[in-house]
Amino acid sequence: DAGVTQSPTHLIKTRGQQVTLRCSPKSGHDTVSWYQQALGQGPQFIFQYYEEEERQRGNFPDRFSGHQFPNYSSELNVNALLLGDSALYLCASSPLTGGLYEQYFGPGTRLTVT
Amino acid sequence: AQTVTQSQPEMSVQEAETVTLSCTYDTSESDYYLFWYKQPPSRQMILVIRQEAYKQQNATENRFSVNFQKAAKSFSLKISDSQLGDAAMYFCAYRSETSGTYKYIFGTGTRLKVLA
Repeated sequence: DAGVTQSPTHLIKTRGQQVTLRCSPKSGHDTVSWYQQALGQGPQFIFQYYEEEERQRGNFPDRFSGHQFPNYSSELNVNALLLGDSALYLCASSPLTGGLYEQYFGPGTRLTVT
Repeated sequence: AQTVTQSQPEMSVQEAETVTLSCTYDTSESDYYLFWYKQPPSRQMILVIRQEAYKQQNATENRFSVNFQKAAKSFSLKISDSQLGDAAMYFCAYRSETSGTYKYIFGTGTRLKVLA
């Protein structure tokens, strides 16, 4: 049973560019959440997707957008990259209802903006 | 809004000894969930232990246990018989529910060093 997978592992982009990060949830999970973890900080909630819709959003600008596909996988898109967007981006999956209420995290994508 | 505070940026423990990591939180909700996650250098967040607020009994998972004080809004993690593999960042997290969805609010983490 594969856990949460993310791609790519590392990414280097230039200011102003756009980036797409990908996540495949754990088998049986239909809800995907994205977090940004700056160096030395705890993860910060970006948004959550369920049934291909954004259900909740954290305090992030509209430059951050996402998508969920019918197979529950998800993408995180960031436009007009800023230096401050450099961080580890974590994807977490869980069932929306039932389960034991914990999220399972992927290994993350390290984004560096130069 | 809920907040989670971890006041110990770094802790050290001798191998085989016991260490306690502190976490406090602020919420007006009466029913919620609290978690401790471990993040080793590999970056993968791993669930260590979970506590349901409605349960008075403190959760235990092998060498890991919590001291949950609901009135004080305190949720500390005790690691017994510390092992070298316990060295990692530890994050306390609060599960916040809004309109049928939820998010996790994390503290800033505590780096645990295990000394041989």
